[in-house]
Amino acid sequence: DAGVIQSPRHEVTEMGQEVTLRCKPISGHDYLFWYRQTMMRGLELLIYFNNNVPIDDSGMPEDRFSAKMPNASFSTLKIQPSEPRDSAVYFCASSGVTLKAFFGQGTRLTVV
Amino acid sequence: AQSVTQPDIHITVSEGASLELRCNYSYGATPYLFWYVQSPGQGLQLLLKYFSGDTLVQGIKGFEAEFKRSQSSFNLRKPSVHWSDAAEYFCAVGVRSNDYKLSFGAGTTVTVRA
Repeated sequence: DAGVIQSPRHEVTEMGQEVTLRCKPISGHDYLFWYRQTMMRGLELLIYFNNNVPIDDSGMPEDRFSAKMPNASFSTLKIQPSEPRDSAVYFCASSGVTLKAFFGQGTRLTVV
Repeated sequence: AQSVTQPDIHITVSEGASLELRCNYSYGATPYLFWYVQSPGQGLQLLLKYFSGDTLVQGIKGFEAEFKRSQSSFNLRKPSVHWSDAAEYFCAVGVRSNDYKLSFGAGTTVTVRA
């Protein structure tokens, strides 16, 4: 398995634009997590899914953030409209029955 | 509320010396404990985990960690550090009642000097 795959690796966008981050979890994993990492706040859990169903989105900072998981092999995190304070590294992770979370390499988002 | 504390923000250690990174947690239930390592520009890689059983767990890259329930700690150790161990290390905790979602500590940055 290629591991958790995130795209793009880097994204630079202008304030106000829509940004979509993508994640392909490891096949067979039934949990998918979206994290945000910043210097100020460290690693924060934004939302997680179990069997494609959102379970807890209490970490999503604002209504500008939304996440979907239309099937077991794909998830998106969308920010609309984006703001400079959204600049961070966004990680996707997946886990299965072993409870070990495997992380993607992250998407570094810069909003200018 | 659950919390994970890594008291040391930054540690500098000489190559070949031993390393210990501290992690304390606050949970009402029996936690599942993890250590992850993040190299610059990379994602997080799992070093080791503790679920139950032997409180001394072995991980990859020569790391080990010891769970001490009485101290609510899960400290990470390595007997002899290599330059490639320079990275940021995160302790994480999950509980079964919370769907095992992980709460992370703030991380400890390790610098290895020659």
